Amino acid sequence: QKEVEQDPGPLSVPEGAIVSLNCTYSNSAFQYFMWYRQYSRKGPELLMYTYSSGNKEDGRFTAQVDKSSKYISLFIRDSQPSDSATYLCAMSEGGGFKTIFGAGTRLFVKA
Amino acid sequence: KAGVTQTPRYLIKTRGQQVTLSCSPISGHRSVSWYQQTPGQGLQFLFEYFSETQRNKGNFPGRFSGRQFSNSRSEMNVSTLELGDSALYLCASRRDRDSGANVLTFGAGSRLTVL
Repeated sequence: QKEVEQDPGPLSVPEGAIVSLNCTYSNSAFQYFMWYRQYSRKGPELLMYTYSSGNKEDGRFTAQVDKSSKYISLFIRDSQPSDSATYLCAMSEGGGFKTIFGAGTRLFVKA
Repeated sequence: KAGVTQTPRYLIKTRGQQVTLSCSPISGHRSVSWYQQTPGQGLQFLFEYFSETQRNKGNFPGRFSGRQFSNSRSEMNVSTLELGDSALYLCASRRDRDSGANVLTFGAGSRLTVL
């Protein structure tokens, strides 16, 4: 079993839809939870990061962490065609430990 | 401020050859991590270097190796290439190994094709 599980999709939604992306994990020592976005032919770029449990909002994006369920989510409101990309969840124990990534979910937002 | 620079961007090799990839981190970043990205396996951690020392290592065979220089630039080497080594190799840098957020900044990657 992988440490981090993420449905690779693809996920196709119409413009303006609310998108929900999720990951589950098995390592209870993870403390830092991140979402990266990767466009075709580019490296991943950090979208959001959260420490421990709770919610964090940044514009149209909301990240949620539920450590009791070992489950994290990224919500995208009012999705745009420019949001079409691969979204990768990532987790770390912090303090210099390696960062583990999910497989990435391919998202298509149709105009 | 310059980002993470990886060279070469694209390369084609044949089985049995070896390859060296280079990564220049963001100025002031002392940690460099390497990842292999394939459609089937996603982003797989290879290794991390900090102050010229390997701090973390993933589950890859010994054919995969790396090093870091005093200016924080890093190289990774893959010897005796196999078809399955075809992938996008990503380098990521971070300012300080002890930075709690562990936020990585990635380069654009080096796409290796093994024929």
